[in-house]
Amino acid sequence: GPKVLQIPSHQIIDMGQMVTLNCDPVSNHLYFYWYKQILGQQMEFLVNFYNGKVMEKSKLFKDQFSVERPDGSYFTLKIQPTALEDSAVYFCASSLQGKAETLYFGSGTRLTVL
Amino acid sequence: GQQVKQSSPSLTVQEGGISILNCDYENDMFDYFAWYKKYPDNSPTLLISVRSNVDKREDGRLTVFLNKSGKHFSLHITASQPEDTAVYLCAAGERGSSGNKLIFGIGTLLSVKP
Repeated sequence: GPKVLQIPSHQIIDMGQMVTLNCDPVSNHLYFYWYKQILGQQMEFLVNFYNGKVMEKSKLFKDQFSVERPDGSYFTLKIQPTALEDSAVYFCASSLQGKAETLYFGSGTRLTVL
Repeated sequence: GQQVKQSSPSLTVQEGGISILNCDYENDMFDYFAWYKKYPDNSPTLLISVRSNVDKREDGRLTVFLNKSGKHFSLHITASQPEDTAVYLCAAGERGSSGNKLIFGIGTLLSVKP
């Protein structure tokens, strides 16, 4: 089936540094998402993105977070600067349409902030 | 508070038996309900979904039951097999959301014993 790729699978970074998480969504998909899962908790919605714009974001999507998909390439989540509480697994997803459609997820990037 | 709740963290079923996974939700605006399956270090993948205008949907060994008045939906897996062993995530989508903002439960680990 359609695949969403997330590279790398693990990333370790020092607190205060910038990190960019990369996602290669399904090629013809139009909607893109990031979810955050802290160890032992549920996967939580961060943001969705369509047509070059953030459509909706949660309160977890702090000012230090930003997303973009320049020129139809990777869909990225940038955190600048990172904080200890940003340590989590970040899942990227994409969908063809925006309303109650199947989300295709990547296998996540485990971010550890030291 | 948790908008989507899976109160059983784990369930063990004998091979050939019926697995019943449950999910409760709080938001009356949810109109899309889904079950995702997740193996360790892998991506969540959609198993089956329903809209709020139906109260049951079957697909092979899978059946989703939706009880809107009780704000509850469940996944029944008949003839459970060891390869069904995984974490099952329920999710619900919000009517009027600008995109596909799915809210996930924490998951139930299903173990099917041979």
